[in-house]
Amino acid sequence: GAVVSQHPSRVICKSGTSVKIECRSLDFQATTMFWYRQFPKQSLMLMATSNEGSKATYEQGVEKDKFLINHASLTLSTLTVTSAHPEDSSFYICSAKLAGGYNEQFFGPGTRLTVL
Amino acid sequence: GENVEQHPSTLSVQEGDSAVIKCTYSDSASNYFPWYKQELGKRPQLIIDIRSNVGEKKDQRIAVTLNKTAKHFSLHITETQPEDSAVYFCAASGGGSNYQLIWGAGTKLIIKP
Repeated sequence: GAVVSQHPSRVICKSGTSVKIECRSLDFQATTMFWYRQFPKQSLMLMATSNEGSKATYEQGVEKDKFLINHASLTLSTLTVTSAHPEDSSFYICSAKLAGGYNEQFFGPGTRLTVL
Repeated sequence: GENVEQHPSTLSVQEGDSAVIKCTYSDSASNYFPWYKQELGKRPQLIIDIRSNVGEKKDQRIAVTLNKTAKHFSLHITETQPEDSAVYFCAASGGGSNYQLIWGAGTKLIIKP
């Protein structure tokens, strides 16, 4: 149980285009989902916390107009990287927390974004 | 806010020996401390976690200890095997809203055959 899927697994796009990444909790309801970015040989960096039905809370230094987050249902959150640039190339990982559950987060497989 | 420090950044041990990775945290309100293993290009995998009402937890070759007074927790891997080679992250949670995880910088564990 507690499976999180993420699509696409890999995407290559041209500079200036937008990319949408989906994160789904397959067998549980997730009131809270988290979006992380991970650069090579670094730790996970929390970008934003997404609560179902409300606006996402962004971490300091993360542009909310560039990284659009939508959490419209208890099983789906999306991250859209708008007007992507090469410096946005990274590994993006989502995680989900069980509704009413303790602190444990369940991670998606990640999306490797490469912006040319 | 919470800050988690992790040491060492790289750890190389002989196969069969034990490995210990240590983390310290700053927020005394933190109450959940997971350890994750991440292989290259893959998602973090929870390998063990401990809550603040427990001092030690063991699962086969893996154990975690927590010292709330000193605000540090450690991962112990015994009888290391080549497949244990990966990056290990500690994290702390519970002191802030939304149960956010605050991550350590990671330890690259290398098991020498």
